[in-house]
Amino acid sequence: EPEVTQTPSHQVTQMGQEVILRCVPISNHLYFYWYRQILGQKVEFLVSFYNNEISEKSEIFDDQFSVERPDGSNFTLKIRSTKLEDSAMYFCASRGASGREEQYFGPGTRLTVT
Amino acid sequence: AQTVTQSQPEMSVQEAETVTLSCTYDTSESNYYLFWYKQPPSRQMILVIRQEAYKQQNATENRFSVNFQKAAKSFSLKISDSQLGDTAMYFCAFGNTGNQFYFGTGTSLTVIP
Repeated sequence: EPEVTQTPSHQVTQMGQEVILRCVPISNHLYFYWYRQILGQKVEFLVSFYNNEISEKSEIFDDQFSVERPDGSNFTLKIRSTKLEDSAMYFCASRGASGREEQYFGPGTRLTVT
Repeated sequence: AQTVTQSQPEMSVQEAETVTLSCTYDTSESNYYLFWYKQPPSRQMILVIRQEAYKQQNATENRFSVNFQKAAKSFSLKISDSQLGDTAMYFCAFGNTGNQFYFGTGTSLTVIP
């Protein structure tokens, strides 16, 4: 069964450093998402991406964040200058062409900012 | 804006018993979808069950079923014959034909042997 994959599973970085989180969505999906989950809290929407552009973003997704689909398979989330409060689990998700489909989540990347 | 509320932060159930997790939501939309996701200790989000708002019939998936009350904006999850592997965090989620999902704060379910 196709699945969303994410790398790395755990990333440790120092405050102020740039990080790139990588995701490979399900191959025939068209909508891509990033979510964040701070430990013990609910999953929060960051951004959605469709047709090579951001279609929606939350207040969390400020200028420090960017997304890119550099090729036909990868979908990346970049944090330019990490802060301690960026420490969280980051989930990538993808969805098929129909607006009625559920989102399929990757296993997540645990980001620790020290 | 859509909101999803899960009022039970923690629940426990004896193995083989039945448990119901509650979820309410608020929306002005008429066309939407509701989901229950399971997040075990591995932290992977796994879809448990989905319900289209336009369908009156409650969705079922093996031991999992929902009680969808559209007028009351309620979407509870019933787990029958609970198993140890059901121990996880359960998130209720609202999705419309737009782009983002809205998640509740989750219910931590522990199945007791």
